[in-house]
Amino acid sequence: DAGVIQSPRHEVTEMGQEVTLRCKPISGHDYLFWYRQTMMRGLELLIYFNNNVPIDDSGMPEDRFSAKMPNASFSTLKIQPSEPRDSAVYFCASNAGQGFNQPQHFGDGTRLSIL
Amino acid sequence: SQQGEEDPQALSIQEGENATMNCSYKTSINNLQWYRQNSGRGLVHLILIRSNEREKHSGRLRVTLDTSKKSSSLLITASRAADTASYFCATDNQRGSTLGRLYFGRGTQLTVWP
Repeated sequence: DAGVIQSPRHEVTEMGQEVTLRCKPISGHDYLFWYRQTMMRGLELLIYFNNNVPIDDSGMPEDRFSAKMPNASFSTLKIQPSEPRDSAVYFCASNAGQGFNQPQHFGDGTRLSIL
Repeated sequence: SQQGEEDPQALSIQEGENATMNCSYKTSINNLQWYRQNSGRGLVHLILIRSNEREKHSGRLRVTLDTSKKSSSLLITASRAADTASYFCATDNQRGSTLGRLYFGRGTQLTVWP
């Protein structure tokens, strides 16, 4: 079975550029989560969706960050303009049913470096 | 913060020894989960224990939960070099309005030497 698929795996870009991270959740999962992981702050929840609707975006650090889920099989996280402090590993995860009672399935992340 | 806190931050043992990691949290929960993260990979779910359970086993893993102390422990028996990874606990918030989200700790980095 295909797991959560994220692309790209690595992204290196210059400060000020737009960055788009992509995620395909596991088919049939109705919750989708975006996380950011750094050494300093650990794993932070940025935003999550239920049935394609954003439920909690309080973790989105600034207006430079936006996330969309146009359909059940695709989500994007966009940073515009990017800054060096956005460098981190970004994970997408999904699960099914009553989300709090189910394991989350993680992709292998996008390692983002902003120069 | 509602995040769980793992203890110790780092643990180094020899193959064959047991590894014990602890997690403390702050709010009432429905369940607590443990995840493993290998270097350069995403988190992988290991085990879920519900608030009305005290102990759960899965292979070489044993998880305990003490809701009165708001703490959990993960025991890995007869450790192997392949168990080298970071281990995270994650909790929900029983009274929270944001159903579905989990709160992750900072993790314990386990190193198992051959």
